[in-house]
Amino acid sequence: AQSVTQPDIHITVSEGASLELRCNYSYGATPYLFWYVQSPGQGLQLLLKYFSGDTLVQGIKGFEAEFKRSQSSFNLRKPSVHWSDAAEYFCAVGAPAAGNKLTFGGGTRVLVKP
Amino acid sequence: GAVVSQHPSRVICKSGTSVKIECRSLDFQATTMFWYRQFPKQSLMLMATSNEGSKATYEQGVEKDKFLINHASLTLSTLTVTSAHPEDSSFYICSASRGPETGELFFGEGSRLTVL
Repeated sequence: AQSVTQPDIHITVSEGASLELRCNYSYGATPYLFWYVQSPGQGLQLLLKYFSGDTLVQGIKGFEAEFKRSQSSFNLRKPSVHWSDAAEYFCAVGAPAAGNKLTFGGGTRVLVKP
Repeated sequence: GAVVSQHPSRVICKSGTSVKIECRSLDFQATTMFWYRQFPKQSLMLMATSNEGSKATYEQGVEKDKFLINHASLTLSTLTVTSAHPEDSSFYICSASRGPETGELFFGEGSRLTVL
């Protein structure tokens, strides 16, 4: 069974500073990996995804993530954070063999200081 | 494309009543739909997987008699919370898949259930 760990529950970053959110996964085969963002009381918005190929993937809103198979990681980064990036971020691993069932990490809440 | 719509977005009901939440894929056919539950400030927990025309597969610990899932067509799945109690209050989110080869799920906006 797949699992996802997001070690950081909260991260506070100053506006304009860089941001990195950690994600480690466990899956028996080549995973599908995703990062979603959720604003309070809202649904999920897909930031980016990795299926195969280039291990550095670009997403929306200036986010990128790098798949490192040797470390079972898929960390999310943004060079310069905007106040609007304050939200909850979820990493997820997909299981193609199970109809794309997604397993989510616990989430990381990002707070942005002015 | 790939829009998933949930209805209602918010519902308040009395304890003991049943509530139905609909999940529709608006512009594609969803071979599989998933229902997730999210408690405040927590992650999404998968409740069940539903395939069109067949019984839903529930995750361990989810009461199938309390959370009835029906996937009657390739564009509609419903979750009915039967005999709701305050502890059922939560944010319920559905997602839909166009097929395993696509790799991606599309999420609805979520439905917040409050049971008084």
